[in-house]
This record gives sequence, structure tokens and C-alpha cells, in this order.
Amino acid sequence: GAVVSQHPSWVICKSGTSVKIECRSLDFQATTMFWYRQFPKQSLMLMATSNEGSKATYEQGVEKDKFLINHASLTLSTLTVTSAHPEDSSFYICSALVMNTEAFFGQGTRLTVV
Amino acid sequence: DAKTTQPTSMDCAEGRAANLPCNHSTISGNEYVYWYRQIHSQGPQYIIHGLKNNETNEMASLIITEDRKSSTLILPHATLRDTAVYYCIVRSLGETSGSRLTFGEGTQLTVNP
Repeated sequence: GAVVSQHPSWVICKSGTSVKIECRSLDFQATTMFWYRQFPKQSLMLMATSNEGSKATYEQGVEKDKFLINHASLTLSTLTVTSAHPEDSSFYICSALVMNTEAFFGQGTRLTVV
Repeated sequence: DAKTTQPTSMDCAEGRAANLPCNHSTISGNEYVYWYRQIHSQGPQYIIHGLKNNETNEMASLIITEDRKSSTLILPHATLRDTAVYYCIVRSLGETSGSRLTFGEGTQLTVNP
């Protein structure tokens, strides 16, 4: 299947700082990528849909100014958690759409804000 | 997207078949049934999908009832590495909105030695 790579796999940052997470489609072009968040022992929750060359579409309740999404190329989407706080600590996962049908997921990024 | 219901947890003996059920009674005609699994602290992994016919690949088989209101994912010879949370999702294809996967709670499958 298609390969989606996330970087970093884990990150620890201080409260108040910003963290950028990258999501790359390695062997295909993805016009649409999705960002999810997963808290311990819970399911994945969709945060936003990232569209190449246009603004991201955020799910209800997700602050667009706090979770900045940039999809500047067909192979890269980034999620920046701005002014991170401990409650932002979570597992962040991206997925990329292949041929507008299949969704493949990255390995996830474990964010810990201290 | 149609809502799905799955058992919270299941156990299976290593080497035996694991049969994971999913109810999707409100599925519409253009919606597919997808299965993903998530091993602890990893991203979800695609397993299989189908519309109305039974499907088989190298990982699993998918049996969809004739009325499409339920389906069963079958892992024919479960191994310890199949221990994971299995998600059943129904979605339409072709439009970006249909690719917004909505994850339920899934089934925690534990394969025991």
C-alpha cells in the first residue's frame, strides 16, 4: 500500500511553545490529507481536512488558530500546535487520500507538553 | 456516514480464526464497509473493504450479509501480532467528504497464546 510518513514520531515540548508535525506521502501525490487526534484509551477524532493549495477545513470545536495546518505541496501537510499546553498532549495522526478512494495513515506523533 | 456498532472486546486463541462482527443497519446503497486496525501506539492500518460481495485478501476475509446491514471480518489464523483495536467504518467513495473516516470505539481483539 501507499506510504505515509510522519515526523517526528514523538516530541516533548515546554508549555507555551509551538510544535510542528509533518505528514508526507512518499510514493504518491495527495491532494487531501486528514489530521486526527487520539487521547489515551479513546478512538481517533478527526480534527481537520487539509487541502493542497487551499485553507484547511476544521471540525467543529477545533480551534483553527491553535492548530495551524499548511498543505503547500502535493506530498506534504504540516500541523503546528501553537502555544501548546499540557492538555494538548496527545497522539496526532495524519492520513492521506490515494486516488480519492483509499486513506493511508502515518505512524503517528506522540506529543507531550510539560 | 452510517453509524457502526461493534463489540468492545473479543478474545481469540492463537492459530484459530477470529471473527469480528459489525452492525451497520443504516448503511446506504453507495456506502462501502471498511476495516482498519490499530496496534498500540501506531497509526491505523487498512485491512480490507467491500460493497456487497464477500472479499478476501492476504490479510483477511470480509463477509457482508445480503441486506448489507452487518458484516464480519475474519482473520483465518490469528497470531499474537494480530492483537489490536479493529475498526469497522462505512463510507462513500469518490467525494472528499466521503473519505472523512469517522472512527467508532472499535473492538479490542486479544489473541492469546
